[in-house]
Amino acid sequence: DAGVTQSPTHLIKTRGQQVTLRCSPKSGHDTVSWYQQALGQGPQFIFQYYEEEERQRGNFPDRFSGHQFPNYSSELNVNALLLGDSALYLCASSPQGLTYNEQFFGPGTRLTVL
Amino acid sequence: QKEVEQNSGPLSVPEGAIASLNCTYSDRVSQSFFWYRQYSGKSPELIMSIYSNGDKEDGRFTAQLNKASQYVSLLIRDSQPSDSATYLCAVIQADRGSTLGRLYFGRGTQLTVWP
Repeated sequence: DAGVTQSPTHLIKTRGQQVTLRCSPKSGHDTVSWYQQALGQGPQFIFQYYEEEERQRGNFPDRFSGHQFPNYSSELNVNALLLGDSALYLCASSPQGLTYNEQFFGPGTRLTVL
Repeated sequence: QKEVEQNSGPLSVPEGAIASLNCTYSDRVSQSFFWYRQYSGKSPELIMSIYSNGDKEDGRFTAQLNKASQYVSLLIRDSQPSDSATYLCAVIQADRGSTLGRLYFGRGTQLTVWP
């Protein structure tokens, strides 16, 4: 049973560029959430997708956008990268869109913006 | 504003001792509580979930929840050097009108278990 997978593992970009991160949820899960974790901090919620729609959004600018595909996989897009976007980006999946279900994280994508 | 606070670290205990990690949360509506373990350079790994007041035990780990005091803790018995990691407390919240929950995390407590 495959867990949550993310790609790429590492990414280096320069300011102003755009980046796309990808996530495949755990088998049987249909809800995908994205988090940003800066060094020394807990993960911060970016947004959540269920049934191919953004259902909740955290306090992140519109430069952060996403998509969910019919197979439940998801993408996170960040435009006009800033130095402060350097972080570990985590994807978490949970089953059946239920409120209090456990969320399981993928290995993350380490983004460095120069 | 939903806040999750964890006891400041780092926490250092000898091998075989009990490590106690504490967490408080600000929103009385919170219903689900989680502990994640995060090794350096890795992603968070779910180790405990607790939903009801009282204790929940899983191997060497015991989670304790007191909703009246808005307090959740994690005890690690017979601590091992392999337990050395950052432990993240998280609570799940659903926005008004939504059936989907988001996780709110504390900053984490770094635990070191020395041989």
